[in-house]
Amino acid sequence: GENVEQHPSTLSVQEGDSAVIKCTYSDSASNYFPWYKQELGKRPQLIIDIRSNVGEKKDQRIAVTLNKTAKHFSLHITETQPEDSAVYFCAATNFGNEKLTFGTGTRLTIIP
Amino acid sequence: GAVVSQHPSWVICKSGTSVKIECRSLDFQATTMFWYRQFPKQSLMLMATSNEGSKATYEQGVEKDKFLINHASLTLSTLTVTSAHPEDSSFYICSAPKPGLTGDTQYFGPGTRLTVL
Repeated sequence: GENVEQHPSTLSVQEGDSAVIKCTYSDSASNYFPWYKQELGKRPQLIIDIRSNVGEKKDQRIAVTLNKTAKHFSLHITETQPEDSAVYFCAATNFGNEKLTFGTGTRLTIIP
Repeated sequence: GAVVSQHPSWVICKSGTSVKIECRSLDFQATTMFWYRQFPKQSLMLMATSNEGSKATYEQGVEKDKFLINHASLTLSTLTVTSAHPEDSSFYICSAPKPGLTGDTQYFGPGTRLTVL
């Protein structure tokens, strides 16, 4: 089955700086890669996703890049703000399967 | 975005009792729903795939007789934790994929925090 590794497990950045979280996956058949933000005690919220037919996607301060050859994808948050502090999870799935395999999560702390 | 609801949001029960958790897709139909469990400071672990009109598919290591899943309609799946024990205390979250123009997007319910005394 799919295996997703996520790094780093914790990340602290100064407000206004950029944050980068990286994930690797094992199953070359995976073709959908969402990123979720989870605040304490709440549901994971989809913040951005990318499908295997594109290499990069951007939504305001958030971007995701995908390297299918290397089987890794990354989340980039620019101009970080205190409200970006949360746990971020990457995930991967084969579109026809729909089962998401999650990374282990990254606790992002933005230092004011 | 799509809305997925869960009920109850939290429950406290005595050891040995059963607890039922409901997951509903409010603005779309879902032939498949997923049930996850999340322990403190850990990732989401898929427990089972709920299939409307057929049996659920359980992940390895998840006891199907302990975690009963029923997908009663295209908008409702239930998870029943039978004979709950303290080690079952966790955050249970469901999700449902909503079809879109470019593919499915999974939306999560708000979660149910189960505490077994």
